[in-house]
Amino acid sequence: GAGVSQTPSNKVTEKGKYVELRCDPISGHTALYWYRQSLGQGPEFLIYFQGTGAADDSGLPNDRFFAVRPEGSVSTLKIQRTERGDSAVYLCASSLGGASYEQYFGPGTRLTVT
Amino acid sequence: GESVGLHLPTLSVQEGDNSIINCAYSNSASDYFIWYKQESGKGPQFIIDIRSNMDKRQGQRVTVLLNKTVKHLSLQIAATQPGDSAVYFCAENMDSSYKLIFGSGTRLLVRP
Repeated sequence: GAGVSQTPSNKVTEKGKYVELRCDPISGHTALYWYRQSLGQGPEFLIYFQGTGAADDSGLPNDRFFAVRPEGSVSTLKIQRTERGDSAVYLCASSLGGASYEQYFGPGTRLTVT
Repeated sequence: GESVGLHLPTLSVQEGDNSIINCAYSNSASDYFIWYKQESGKGPQFIIDIRSNMDKRQGQRVTVLLNKTVKHLSLQIAATQPGDSAVYFCAENMDSSYKLIFGSGTRLLVRP
């Protein structure tokens, strides 16, 4: 079956611009997660959705980052006034529910801020 | 895509040999541990997991060992194949939380 998909696969933007990154989870998965992965590092948690609501956004680095999941399926991670330090791979994962630990990851979106 | 883990510790093994990848985790309250494999340009792929009430779990060609006394986790891969070449991450999960905390990873290179 289809896995987690993310678009775009690559995004290059200029410092100060706004970007949106999209995640399509596996159908039927109620839990959705965003992680950020810098070069040479493991993924770092950003935010977790259970259904439509953000159950935990404690990993978002600052108020320039925001994520939504209005219908409990597709999610969009939004970054305002991008900075060069935001350059990373942004990974999305989904699971059957918060209590189901196996998280299935998408291929990621590589964001480069110039 | 750009490879992950350019500055990671590297384990180089001969094809057919066994591999052992180690991980030290940080939180003694963690009760669930997972190994992920990440190939260049792809997201992490689940390999095997273990809960804190176990010290060993086996899968197909893989075994995970957990030593809670010294907060150490290892992944053993039997008869390593070229397709096993990737970066391997351990992740821990605390108190039935949904949040995974990843280690820094090890690159596995398999020599033909």
